[in-house]
Amino acid sequence: AQKITQTQPGMFVQEKEAVTLDCTYDTSDQSYGLFWYKQPSSGEMIFLIYQGSYDEQNATEGRYSLNFQKARKSANLVISASQLGDSAMYFCAMLGRGGTSYGKLTFGQGTILTVHP
Amino acid sequence: DTEVTQTPKHLVMGMTNKKSLKCEQHMGHRAMYWYKQKAKKPPELMFVYSYEKLSINESVPSRFSPECPNSSLLNLHLHALQPEDSALYLCASSHSGSGVNEQFFGPGTRLTVL
Repeated sequence: AQKITQTQPGMFVQEKEAVTLDCTYDTSDQSYGLFWYKQPSSGEMIFLIYQGSYDEQNATEGRYSLNFQKARKSANLVISASQLGDSAMYFCAMLGRGGTSYGKLTFGQGTILTVHP
Repeated sequence: DTEVTQTPKHLVMGMTNKKSLKCEQHMGHRAMYWYKQKAKKPPELMFVYSYEKLSINESVPSRFSPECPNSSLLNLHLHALQPEDSALYLCASSHSGSGVNEQFFGPGTRLTVL
């Protein structure tokens, strides 16, 4: 079974500062994918960044980067130069590729990020 | 076109009503998903269609009935719902049910059952 843990229910950051959102995972699969999604209050889930389990380099997408530490089973999201529009719920998720987890996206509990001006 | 659309945006229904949620994508994706999300909780997978065939049903009650008429459309038929079924229903699609492909989500339908 897969499990995603986000230990920060809420985070605060000052505008233009960087912030790290934590995510740890547990899986017995050798191959898997890790995702981060942003969900504003409007409800839409916005894909931010993806890291494959075999990728040796950390993924980056604009102001978003994923700090992938496979041995520690962590996949933290780093947002640089925070903007007011970054205030939202952030979900870490894993896509399984083996057994009963195949094709299923498992989400963590989410972290609410608030950016202060 | 990199968009998943869902209609309606909001739906209020009684416990005896029959209604349907619709989802559409034109990205050529062959996997489509229904999720249920309660407030301040993560989405919960309900159904997965891969190449228009139901591949995953997460033990969802029969009052929810999915349908995939073609590769671009996904419906969720609702009948005899309970108030606890009130939630945001999200549709998503991806290139296929296999492989590590990101899922693109629609804006959701906010359902209220009275």
